[in-house]
Amino acid sequence: QKEVEQNSGPLSVPEGAIASLNCTYSDRVSQSFFWYRQYSGKSPELIMSIYSNGDKEDGRFTAQLNKASQYVSLLIRDSQPSDSATYLCAVSSGTYKYIFGTGTRLKVLA
Amino acid sequence: GAGVSQTPSNKVTEKGKYVELRCDPISGHTALYWYRQSLGQGPEFLIYFQGTGAADDSGLPNDRFFAVRPEGSVSTLKIQRTERGDSAVYLCASSLSGNSPLHFGNGTRLTVT
Repeated sequence: QKEVEQNSGPLSVPEGAIASLNCTYSDRVSQSFFWYRQYSGKSPELIMSIYSNGDKEDGRFTAQLNKASQYVSLLIRDSQPSDSATYLCAVSSGTYKYIFGTGTRLKVLA
Repeated sequence: GAGVSQTPSNKVTEKGKYVELRCDPISGHTALYWYRQSLGQGPEFLIYFQGTGAADDSGLPNDRFFAVRPEGSVSTLKIQRTERGDSAVYLCASSLSGNSPLHFGNGTRLTVT
């Protein structure tokens, strides 16, 4: 079983819709959770970090964490074509080691 | 302020050659990481430095790979006797501490011919 799992996609949504990206992890002691956006040919860029159960909102982005279900998600409201990228989920068990998923490719259709 | 800087941005080398990849982290960041990313994959952990010492090098694929950070700032990833399978993007990241978000450099795209 992979430590951090994401659907590779592509996930296609129309412009203006809500994009929902999901991530599950296997290590129950994981404490820190991050979403990174990666444009083709570029390096990962931090979007959100979340550390406790519930929702965390930042602009059009909302991260949701459910530690009991070992599940973290990212919602993007009012999706724009510029949001088209690969979204990487990263998990840390509270030490330095960050494990990344393979990423979900998002396509926002104009 | 300045972000993580990696040089070179691209490196093409012949099989069997030696290469060095450099990373200059964000000033004040004590934690430095090297990751490797192949096409369609997420970043794969290679090595972590806290200060000058390699706290965890368990991700280095074999003894052809080595990394140093002699003064606790700039780090160099060294690959001996390169193989075609080493071709990938090598990403460096730094963070304030071991549980803070990673900030990535632009990466070095290594191509071994």
